[in-house]
Amino acid sequence: DTAVSQTPKYLVTQMGNDKSIKCEQNLGHDTMYWYKQDSKKFLKIMFSYNNKELIINETVPNRFSPKSPDKAHLNLHINSLELGDSAVYFCASSVVAGTGELFFGEGSRLTVL
Amino acid sequence: AQSVTQLGSHVSVSEGALVLLRCNYSSSVPPYLFWYVQYPNQGLQLLLKYTSAATLVKGINGFEAEFKKSETSFHLTKPSAHMSDAAEYFCAVSLRGGNTGKLIFGQGTTLQVKP
Repeated sequence: DTAVSQTPKYLVTQMGNDKSIKCEQNLGHDTMYWYKQDSKKFLKIMFSYNNKELIINETVPNRFSPKSPDKAHLNLHINSLELGDSAVYFCASSVVAGTGELFFGEGSRLTVL
Repeated sequence: AQSVTQLGSHVSVSEGALVLLRCNYSSSVPPYLFWYVQYPNQGLQLLLKYTSAATLVKGINGFEAEFKKSETSFHLTKPSAHMSDAAEYFCAVSLRGGNTGKLIFGQGTTLQVKP
């Protein structure tokens, strides 16, 4: 039973399209995150939600819109995809925001052609 | 501002040899420090964390790390490498007492284990 699950795992699409990635955690955690890992494996936080409330928005283009319908789900919608959006997107969750111990999903590899 | 520097983007050791992955941090307040491991095509898994007074931290799979405030370091070690240890390792820092849970990651170190 996967703790943090993301779908889809792989996504290949054309520039200009809109796509979504979904994330669900069954750990009962309060806080969820989206991280982006680029081609050099560098990881950077994009967004964080605590109990459905946005608490971190790291100067991400507004083409990226996170949505948290409840504290177990955090989705990421991307409009007008660009080549530079190609990356692996990781969802993560934690018990209490501030400890830093995150539980990660397996990632969603997005390729924009 | 907090930051993490991992010295050496690639480290290669022989099976059975000591593993040493270096991490230095910068933080204006006492930090929480972490090591995560990423196996190919997988998410990140927590190896160990420093959040309190115990400066020598033991983690999973025989790894340990020592917090040295005077050197602002948190190097990861394992006495004897196994082939299964080959992976990407990330050091990370977060703000102690912060309420955001934001992790700042180092650039990662690829560990290669030769037979």
